[in-house]
Amino acid sequence: DAGVIQSPRHEVTEMGQEVTLRCKPISGHDYLFWYRQTMMRGLELLIYFNNNVPIDDSGMPEDRFSAKMPNASFSTLKIQPSEPRDSAVYFCASSPWGDTQYFGPGTRLTVL
Amino acid sequence: KQEVTQIPAALSVPEGENLVLNCSFTDSAIYNLQWFRQDPGKGLTSLLLIQSSQREQTSGRLNASLDKSSGRSTLYIAASQPGDSATYLCAAMTGANSKLTFGKGITLSVRP
Repeated sequence: DAGVIQSPRHEVTEMGQEVTLRCKPISGHDYLFWYRQTMMRGLELLIYFNNNVPIDDSGMPEDRFSAKMPNASFSTLKIQPSEPRDSAVYFCASSPWGDTQYFGPGTRLTVL
Repeated sequence: KQEVTQIPAALSVPEGENLVLNCSFTDSAIYNLQWFRQDPGKGLTSLLLIQSSQREQTSGRLNASLDKSSGRSTLYIAASQPGDSATYLCAAMTGANSKLTFGKGITLSVRP
């Protein structure tokens, strides 16, 4: 199994641009999580899905952030417009039944 | 709101030492407590998961304990090795809702 796949691994963009992060969960996992990690705030849950349905998006910082899961094998996290304070490492994780979570390698986002 | 604290933020020990990493949480009504390892530039790897009804879990040289009443968990690493150098994060799942609250981690360096 290839594990959780995230793309791109690194993204550098300018303030105001749209950014789309992608995630392919482990096949057969019903749960998908999006996290953000910064030095100041640590690792924070942004949103999670169960069977492609968003269950809790209370961690999404503001309306500039949106996430979708159109099918069981793909999810996106979009930031529009991006701001320098969005610079962070964004992780996707999947889980077969919601407790043990398997993390992807992350996308390091830099917004200039 | 659950808060998870890990102190100290960094630890350096000589190879071969047995060591204890501490984690504290404010809300004792947890569903489970999890320990993860994060290597530089990588995602998180699940090490141990302790259900709320359990007191400890063991995997190889790692042993994690849980004391819900005092809001504490410890990760014991026996006979530390340079390959154990990484950041160790604990996370509390409060309620069976799959949401994890993470500590900021302890960066461990094991000197040869």
